[in-house]
Amino acid sequence: SQQGEEDPQALSIQEGENATMNCSYKTSINNLQWYRQNSGRGLVHLILIRSNEREKHSGRLRVTLDTSKKSSSLLITASRAADTASYFCATGWMGGGTSYGKLTFGQGTILTVHP
Amino acid sequence: SQTIHQWPATLVQPVGSPLSLECTVEGTSNPNLYWYRQAAGRGLQLLFYSVGIGQISSEVPQNLSASRPQDRQFILSSKKLLLSDSGFYLCAWGQGSSNQPQHFGDGTRLSIL
Repeated sequence: SQQGEEDPQALSIQEGENATMNCSYKTSINNLQWYRQNSGRGLVHLILIRSNEREKHSGRLRVTLDTSKKSSSLLITASRAADTASYFCATGWMGGGTSYGKLTFGQGTILTVHP
Repeated sequence: SQTIHQWPATLVQPVGSPLSLECTVEGTSNPNLYWYRQAAGRGLQLLFYSVGIGQISSEVPQNLSASRPQDRQFILSSKKLLLSDSGFYLCAWGQGSSNQPQHFGDGTRLSIL
């Protein structure tokens, strides 16, 4: 079953506005990652937040994690047309044994930033 | 620095034909390697992963197979393609811990006619 679910599925905003995407997951995790995918390209890692962290920043990106609600949010401030892409959350498996670095990806949010 | 290459970028194949997609990684040793499939507008489905030469684990039953003949080479294959094999195939490498990011190639767009 799909671990991460992003919300909204699609988001359309004007340049300069902030974009917020949410991710919910079902099981215990040891970290949550956000990736970006430009159309027809591979995924690019944006930021990783560990289960014992509540907030993390990287440039115009701000990620929060609420393990009690099993949810995370990605905020892109002062968006640019170049931010147009799909954004995915991915969860790292937590449990007994070895995870082999496997990640479970959500369905993604398609962000369109209009100039 | 580490790089990952996938080829071909696009491929159009008839139903029933064989398939071989290749992925190579440079600049790192003993990486974990992953093959994903992405349906249009959807998330990624993990197909196979490998923790070493000749070691392949399958995540979902399917018409595809994977092999790792060298440390930094990962191949996705099929003997007879089905229409349902169409999709965007992505290769990725990681350090073997889910506390580390995965690094992706630019994918292969496979269309089955």
